[in-house]
Amino acid sequence: DTGVSQDPRHKITKRGQNVTFRCDPISEHNRLYWYRQTLGQGPEFLTYFQNEAQLEKSRLLSDRFSAERPKGSFSTLEIQRTEQGDSAMYLCASSSLNTEAFFGQGTRLTVV
Amino acid sequence: AQKITQTQPGMFVQEKEAVTLDCTYDTSDPSYGLFWYKQPSSGEMIFLIYQGSYDQQNATEGRYSLNFQKARKSANLVISASQLGDSAMYFCAMRGLYGNKLVFGAGTILRVKS
Repeated sequence: DTGVSQDPRHKITKRGQNVTFRCDPISEHNRLYWYRQTLGQGPEFLTYFQNEAQLEKSRLLSDRFSAERPKGSFSTLEIQRTEQGDSAMYLCASSSLNTEAFFGQGTRLTVV
Repeated sequence: AQKITQTQPGMFVQEKEAVTLDCTYDTSDPSYGLFWYKQPSSGEMIFLIYQGSYDQQNATEGRYSLNFQKARKSANLVISASQLGDSAMYFCAMRGLYGNKLVFGAGTILRVKS
């Protein structure tokens, strides 16, 4: 296992388009997290899965954002009708109970 | 709710010297965990060190140590013998007793000079 993998690494999209990002966690980790990081800031929590169940969502996660983790393995984060304010780095992390979170390299989204 | 404050936007340190990055936190949880992550320019977040609120001793991991002062609610990262490769953004984070998410500070940019 090479760690948490995110795809794509970079995405440029036009305002109003939909985008989908994928995260493959470390295989033995049952917990998966999505964070958003804007320039010069620390990551902000978006949502959390334990196995396939989405157990927590931030108020930052507007109704244009949806995340899934079918079968408790990989996860997808979709942003509908993108806005310029959605431009950020989207980070995925995974962990087991009481272990540190391991992060992927992130997907950098630019909305033009 | 948890809050992390990192008051140093940027720090410089001479190669081979030690540097301390400050972190203060606020929480009402009786038990919590404190983390430090390194983020190089490539973007990935690299876990450095963890301190549990009930741990009796300060955590150490190689050249990294965490100066944990519970009464002051501080969890400063000490990097000894700085190397050029230590130049990066450093984030302090915490996880509460019942929470699963990490709450991050705004980060400190460290530049190591040769």
